[in-house]
Amino acid sequence: DQQVKQNSPSLSVQEGRISILNCDYTNSMFDYFLWYKKYPAEGPTFLISISSIKDKNEDGRFTVFLNKSAKHLSLHIVPSQPGDSAVYFCAASARRDQETSGSRLTFGEGTQLTVNP
Amino acid sequence: NAGVTQTPKFRVLKTGQSMTLLCAQDMNHEYMYWYRQDPGMGLRLIHYSVGEGTTAKGEVPDGYNVSRLKKQNFLLGLESAAPSQTSVYFCASSQGWYTSYEQYFGPGTRLTVT
Repeated sequence: DQQVKQNSPSLSVQEGRISILNCDYTNSMFDYFLWYKKYPAEGPTFLISISSIKDKNEDGRFTVFLNKSAKHLSLHIVPSQPGDSAVYFCAASARRDQETSGSRLTFGEGTQLTVNP
Repeated sequence: NAGVTQTPKFRVLKTGQSMTLLCAQDMNHEYMYWYRQDPGMGLRLIHYSVGEGTTAKGEVPDGYNVSRLKKQNFLLGLESAAPSQTSVYFCASSQGWYTSYEQYFGPGTRLTVT
């Protein structure tokens, strides 16, 4: 049962344009969402997060949008740069789970973003 | 401040052999985790620990054991390796949900079982 899904295994965009990465979830108890970025041969690094009390969070070129009714979130990167080429993972957490069993995150499959110069 | 480190970086095992992966963190984090990453499957939680001396099962615990004897270290053991355990293993740590949901990851261990 894949509770967090990233349906696009890959995305290719031109430098300077917008990259939009999508993520869907099924567990209505999820109330905190994170995006991680991963370069080859390195561990994932935290990029941006959003709580379910918000519908948007912005940090520089990165913006995450949350649509709770659709159980959908997206990451927008504007403008895209070649250095943004990496695998992006969406992750979700439920506060109820945090209190009883650690800060567990459920990850999606990842989307490989390629930004072409 | 090294963050999260993992030893070794690469390993090749024969079926049936055993090994231990070591994870160390210097951020004084309470929680630690072991994940495996396989193509098309994202990161899946194997085991985790919410404090020194405690461990718990994650999504895919079969074939693995863990120990957290010291707060800064989290060991992942494979008692009898199988080809299905060929994967990239990541360790992570976090302060705990009451402070931050963010997990900090190590660089990974690439394990091949032949």
